[in-house]
Amino acid sequence: EDQVTQSPEALRLQEGESSSLNCSYTVSGLRGLFWYRQDPGKGPEFLFTLYSAGEEKEKERLKATLTKKESFLHITAPKPEDSATYLCAVRGSSASKIIFGSGTRLSIRP
Amino acid sequence: DTEVTQTPKHLVMGMTNKKSLKCEQHMGHRAMYWYKQKAKKPPELMFVYSYEKLSINESVPSRFSPECPNSSLLNLHLHALQPEDSALYLCASSQAGGGAETQYFGPGTRLLVL
Repeated sequence: EDQVTQSPEALRLQEGESSSLNCSYTVSGLRGLFWYRQDPGKGPEFLFTLYSAGEEKEKERLKATLTKKESFLHITAPKPEDSATYLCAVRGSSASKIIFGSGTRLSIRP
Repeated sequence: DTEVTQTPKHLVMGMTNKKSLKCEQHMGHRAMYWYKQKAKKPPELMFVYSYEKLSINESVPSRFSPECPNSSLLNLHLHALQPEDSALYLCASSQAGGGAETQYFGPGTRLLVL
């Protein structure tokens, strides 16, 4: 059965303090791994799609990387506006839908 | 443009009411999705339409009835809901429903059932 585990559940950082969020997955035949950002009461906002181990993508202060077992979302010099819940999801070759992790709630203090 | 729109933004309804949620996209996507999300939980898939045909129903109670009038529109008809159905209802779309296409989400409808 496909599984996605995100850690930590919550992370509080000082503005400018870089860190990483982890997404560990178990899936038969990864078709794609997705990162979303979600603000309270709003829909998830697409960030990145990664397809194969070794792939990396960047957007502003965010960088997503992928290995055969996990993905990291690196956040460099975060700002308070980066505070949100970050969701990871995967699609396996035998699955008919994407599977979401429980998310990491990121809080950046000024 | 990667915009999915949803109306209304907020909805309060009684358990005997009938209401509908609407979703629209103009990206030429051929797969559309309904998700339900409770506070501090990830989205849960409810329905998938692929090429305007219902392809997945995640054992959702019949008080939720989806409809896909055309490739750009998706509705969710609500009838005789329960208070536990209060949640954020999200619509999403993707190019097609069979692979690893990215799903783009709308802003959601916040539903409160009294």
